[in-house]
Amino acid sequence: NAGVTQTPKFQVLKTGQSMTLQCAQDMNHEYMSWYRQDPGMGLRLIHYSVGAGITDQGEVPNGYNVSRSTTEDFPLRLLSAAPSQTSVYFCASRPNRGLSRGYTFGSGTRLTVV
Amino acid sequence: TQLLEQSPQFLSIQEGENLTVYCNSSSVFSSLQWYRQEPGEGPVLLVTVVTGGEVKKLKRLTFQFGDARKDSSLHITAAQTGDTGLYLCGSQGGSEKLVFGKGTKLTVNP
Repeated sequence: NAGVTQTPKFQVLKTGQSMTLQCAQDMNHEYMSWYRQDPGMGLRLIHYSVGAGITDQGEVPNGYNVSRSTTEDFPLRLLSAAPSQTSVYFCASRPNRGLSRGYTFGSGTRLTVV
Repeated sequence: TQLLEQSPQFLSIQEGENLTVYCNSSSVFSSLQWYRQEPGEGPVLLVTVVTGGEVKKLKRLTFQFGDARKDSSLHITAAQTGDTGLYLCGSQGGSEKLVFGKGTKLTVNP
């Protein structure tokens, strides 16, 4: 089992460029989320999904789009990158059964916007 | 949105010492999760607590959930250098939105 796979691991963008951060999980988990982590800020929820075709906003959704066309994939799109989006991005997933089931996180994508 | 306060923000101790870190909420938790994150990696789940007053043990780590389900603590006995990391608490507050505190950065010195 690969778990949660994020690509790329590192990315440098110029202001105004667009890109998609990929996230895939092979555990048949219904729930998936995207977080960003900045120094001193902990993990902040960007968007989440409770199943294919269903997405919702988290704490800091502005500047990001998501879609969930399959159970396995949950890409995060930056339409016009800004320096404020420089961060480490984590994707996570969990099954929908059992309140005690925590999230499995990917190893992150480190994004720099110059 | 549920706010989670973690304290202390930073903690540096010697190997063999005991420590406790705290997670407090402005509202009742439906469940509370503790994660540990090492540099360059994603967080890894340590435990989930659901019932008020619940105590769970994971080797040298003891997790407590307050009776009112608004606070939780993590106690480490005889800390080891391998315990170094960022400890995060997260809560769902009744929805699927899992929100986190800012974390406690623990350094255990040899």
